[in-house]
Amino acid sequence: DTGVSQNPRHKITKRGQNVTFRCDPISEHNRLYWYRQTLGQGPEFLTYFQNEAQLEKSRLLSDRFSAERPKGSFSTLEIQRTEQGDSAMYLCATPFGSANTGELFFGEGSRLTVL
Amino acid sequence: AQSVTQLDSQVPVFEEAPVELRCNYSSSVSVYLFWYVQYPNQGLQLLLKYLSGSTLVKGINGFEAEFNKSQTSFHLRKPSVHISDTAEYFCAVTISGGSYIPTFGRGTSLIVHP
Repeated sequence: DTGVSQNPRHKITKRGQNVTFRCDPISEHNRLYWYRQTLGQGPEFLTYFQNEAQLEKSRLLSDRFSAERPKGSFSTLEIQRTEQGDSAMYLCATPFGSANTGELFFGEGSRLTVL
Repeated sequence: AQSVTQLDSQVPVFEEAPVELRCNYSSSVSVYLFWYVQYPNQGLQLLLKYLSGSTLVKGINGFEAEFNKSQTSFHLRKPSVHISDTAEYFCAVTISGGSYIPTFGRGTSLIVHP
């Protein structure tokens, strides 16, 4: 069974505030990915987890960003001291099926607007 | 590192006309290739994929794509489009045997006119 739930779907915040997004895969996968999508662009890789371990982080993930995956199930992405440039859709994804090919099942995303 | 180029940012077409959305990738090693579709206010969903075998792959909603290794291309085609095909289409690539982190193109907006 596949499926990824993301919350909140929309978040409007003022510059300088902290925000946290949550990703809940319906079924457990060893991998979980975070991507960012800005208007008119394709998804850009942020980070991924293999179980609880965060194995790779993109240069896009500044010190203000932190992601966790306790217990290897759900994951959170926190952005501290938000900036207007952080406004984007944040996408969570898990592998589709058991084989690691890069085929992903995406959640519907969490849209962040920083005023 | 791999990269993906989607040559057209926008493709307008009339309903029932054929369409081709172009995708080129750069990689010196074997790749897996994907096309995703994103309807307005929805997440990305897989249209089709090339992992191995036949270079012509068929996907959902009547779409197909052809893997051309010599031209490093993976163009998406549909012989007759519908209004409901209006959406953003993204090409993506991963390296076979690598970390399996997909790299996406910038997307092509398909606009189907009545």
